[in-house]
Amino acid sequence: DSGVTQTPKHLITATGQRVTLRCSPRSGDLSVYWYQQSLDQGLQFLIQYYNGEERAKGNILERFSAQQFPDLHSELNLSSLELGDSALYFCASSVGGTTSGEQFFGPGTRLTVL
Amino acid sequence: GIQVEQSPPDLILQEGANSTLRCNFSDSVNNLQWFHQNPWGQLINLFYIPSGTKQNGRLSATTVATERYSLLYISSSQTTDSGVYFCAVLYNFNKFYFGSGTKLNVKP
Repeated sequence: DSGVTQTPKHLITATGQRVTLRCSPRSGDLSVYWYQQSLDQGLQFLIQYYNGEERAKGNILERFSAQQFPDLHSELNLSSLELGDSALYFCASSVGGTTSGEQFFGPGTRLTVL
Repeated sequence: GIQVEQSPPDLILQEGANSTLRCNFSDSVNNLQWFHQNPWGQLINLFYIPSGTKQNGRLSATTVATERYSLLYISSSQTTDSGVYFCAVLYNFNKFYFGSGTKLNVKP
């Protein structure tokens, strides 16, 4: 158990809908990262937050947004969902910001868009 | 960005065999991690190894940062070692790039 929690574990929804994925980092970690793992694109970095502020951006679509709250948990919002958004979404956390050390991953949320 | 290439893409071993997985990267990196993704999809940290050599039981890893590669050694493989092994690098201090993985199947 990495100490990073994600909810829900599974999510099934329809095209055009909006969903919210939640992540709680390990105790003491200030950075939260979001990743998408799909069959055709592999594991891709989406976005990083450090202590409530956006720190780095990867291949995140405009339909997706994220935030980190004062208690350091983070939410990833996915809207106007398409079939291609079906994927495993991981959250990770680390102690530091851009010069962070080791990242620890949560169990993931499996999103299925029908 | 940076290119992260892993080899081999697929590997089939008999239980008890040894193996070496390789990760090449195209530019200098700030850190490097190895992960094992088990059949249930969970990503498990194996090593945080920006440089040097580390060992943990039957697994060890070596990163030669100046030559832009890292190796993961698995000795006396077990069926529970099956899954996908990823290396990931931190580049420009702000983005984490994953390789495409090595899929390992250990047969009893």
